[in-house]
Amino acid sequence: DQQVKQNSPSLSVQEGRISILNCDYTNSMFDYFLWYKKYPAEGPTFLISISSIKDKNEDGRFTVFLNKSAKHLSLHIVPSQPGDSAVYFCAARGNNAGNMLTFGGGTRLMVKP
Amino acid sequence: DAGITQSPRHKVTETGTPVTLRCHQTENHRYMYWYRQDPGHGLRLIHYSYGVKDTDKGEVSDGYSVSRSKTEDFLLTLESATSSQTSVYFCAISESRPWGDQPQHFGDGTRLSIL
Repeated sequence: DQQVKQNSPSLSVQEGRISILNCDYTNSMFDYFLWYKKYPAEGPTFLISISSIKDKNEDGRFTVFLNKSAKHLSLHIVPSQPGDSAVYFCAARGNNAGNMLTFGGGTRLMVKP
Repeated sequence: DAGITQSPRHKVTETGTPVTLRCHQTENHRYMYWYRQDPGHGLRLIHYSYGVKDTDKGEVSDGYSVSRSKTEDFLLTLESATSSQTSVYFCAISESRPWGDQPQHFGDGTRLSIL
C-alpha cells in the first residue's frame, strides 16, 4: 500500500500562471516532507521541504503548503516558467534513524510558452 | 552539486548474469542509499547504509545485495539478474542529524537493461 501518493500523473500549465502539484500521505508519523524535481537523464534535485510543525514554507517562486488534518501537501510554483517542465516527486520522512524517504509516483509538469 | 558518481551510466546484460553498480561520493556523508525508479512507482528504496559495513534492507531488497567497505563507496549487486530488474537505479547520500531536515542528494542514475 502506497503511503505517499501523487494522484495526477501529469499537469499542463501556461507560462506565467500558477502550477499546483498535490500529494497525499497516510502515515501520521511522517515528520518532514520534501519536493524533488527531476529532468530526463538526471537524478532528482532537492527543491524545498517543510516540517510537520509548520503549514507553509516559501522559497522564491516555490511554496509548499501542508495540511496535516487532511494529510495533504501541495507545491505551488508562481509564476511558472518553461524551465520548470520536469517530473516532480514528493517525499516524506518518518521518524527513523536512517533518514529514509518514501516517495510518491511523481507528476510530470509541462509549462507551455 | 553533491559529489556523487554512479558507474556505469548504462548497461545491457543478459538474464542470469551478475551485475554490480557502483556509487562513489566525495562528500564524506554517513548515509548512502540505492533506489530504483519505475513508471508509476516513483523511487523505491532497495538498501541503505548507515556506515562502513553497516547496511539494512529497504522496501524492495529481494534479489539485491550491497556492500560498503569504505565511506565513499556503496556497491549494489544483482547476483543473478532477471528481466524484472530492468530499471533506472539511483544512488543517494545524506548527512543525518537527530532533528532537522536533511535532504538526500542523488547521483545521475544507471540505466540497466536485462534481456
